[in-house]
Amino acid sequence: EVQLVESGGGLVQPGGSLRLSCAASGFTFSSYSMNWVRQAPGKGLEWVSYIDSSSSTIYYADSVKGRFTISRDNAKNSLYLQMNSLRDEDTALYYCARESAVAGFVGYWGQGTLVTVSS
Amino acid sequence: EIVLTQSPATLSLSPGERATLSCRASQSVSGYLAWYQQKPGQAARLLIYDASNRATGIPARFSGSGSGTDFTLTISSLEPEDFAVYFCQQRSNWPRTFGQGTKLEIK
Repeated sequence: EVQLVESGGGLVQPGGSLRLSCAASGFTFSSYSMNWVRQAPGKGLEWVSYIDSSSSTIYYADSVKGRFTISRDNAKNSLYLQMNSLRDEDTALYYCARESAVAGFVGYWGQGTLVTVSS
Repeated sequence: EIVLTQSPATLSLSPGERATLSCRASQSVSGYLAWYQQKPGQAARLLIYDASNRATGIPARFSGSGSGTDFTLTISSLEPEDFAVYFCQQRSNWPRTFGQGTKLEIK
């Protein structure tokens, strides 16, 4: 069974940093591209970042470019999101998301970790 | 950035009725569009990929159609568990984008 378990969320002041982690199991992690997708309270879904299976291709949403860094450790079956210079508008539930068999869509989601940016 | 506009924002129907949800793209995404279902407190679930293909385990009452800029998700006969929020998403261009969602509520 595919499992994605996020951690690392919490309350942080504007300008602060957090590092999110996602522990993957139940599939060959090193074979799949991964994403981070976020959802602000009561709002829709927003794609944040993408990393391919070998970390050779990475993309970011314009809203986080230059502030967030996605990475992965295939030996540890883990995905990460380093978030710096956090803003109020980064407050959201952050989902770790595995690509489906059809690249470009999300086949599996974690339960999310909540990031709250507030003074 | 490709903007996906979903309509209506809210759709009120009764169980057994047919639901038709729309997603319009600001430029062509070919057939590279998916639909997701999200229930309160849960992560989203992939229903339809590449406009018209049902994901594994998705009931046949869900169908998708369209290409280019206009897409439709149809639920042929609503079951009580179908009342949720539905999002479309394109994979044609970076950045990947989602629609703002359609809430399907019980009338």
